[in-house]
Amino acid sequence: DVQLVESGGDLVQPGRSLRLACVASGFTFSDHWMSWVRQVPGKGLEWVAKVNPTGGGRAYVDSVRGRCTISRNNARNSLYLEMWNLRVEDTALYHCVRDEAHGFNIWGQGTMVTVSS
Amino acid sequence: QSALIQPASVSGSPGQSITISCTGTRGDAGRFDFVAWYQQHPGKVPKLLIYEDYKRPSGVSNRFSGAKSGNMAFLTISGLQAEDEADYYCCSDAGNGIYDFGSGTRASV
Repeated sequence: DVQLVESGGDLVQPGRSLRLACVASGFTFSDHWMSWVRQVPGKGLEWVAKVNPTGGGRAYVDSVRGRCTISRNNARNSLYLEMWNLRVEDTALYHCVRDEAHGFNIWGQGTMVTVSS
Repeated sequence: QSALIQPASVSGSPGQSITISCTGTRGDAGRFDFVAWYQQHPGKVPKLLIYEDYKRPSGVSNRFSGAKSGNMAFLTISGLQAEDEADYYCCSDAGNGIYDFGSGTRASV
């Protein structure tokens, strides 16, 4: 089965750091762009970051740029999102998603990040 | 404030058609390319319905159709069914490598 499984979400204080991970299975991970998309429970979707198949090209939403790095390890079929200087407004469920032809066609169940003092 | 504006809600009766609009607001400051549409039921992950403006992934019902004209995109659901009651989001390539999501529309049947 094609699957994305996230981990690493936690309750952290403002200003702290966190590293999210996503493991892919059932498809050739190294062929695909990958993104992180977040959703505050009960609210809308927000695209956060994306990385190209080799890991050399990245883009970020304005609200996280400079506080966040997306990376990947194709040998481990893994995607990462490292965030620092976390803010209350970063609280959300973070989904790892596969990007194909500008459509997010595979979604993980998500990992919850809660930023609170 | 989302860069893509959707109506908060739409409704229709079983068997009818409804259309959800998505308006790009970046204007000359960005693009409104390759619009995708997602369906999300409560407690579930989003599902891709439409990509590249009008294309349907394998397995998605042909009751869902997409169109785009200028800075507006549209998702039409025909033959409305109870299971179509969900939240719907548009998403576009905004240029400079970033994506915008719409504000979301709750469809009621």
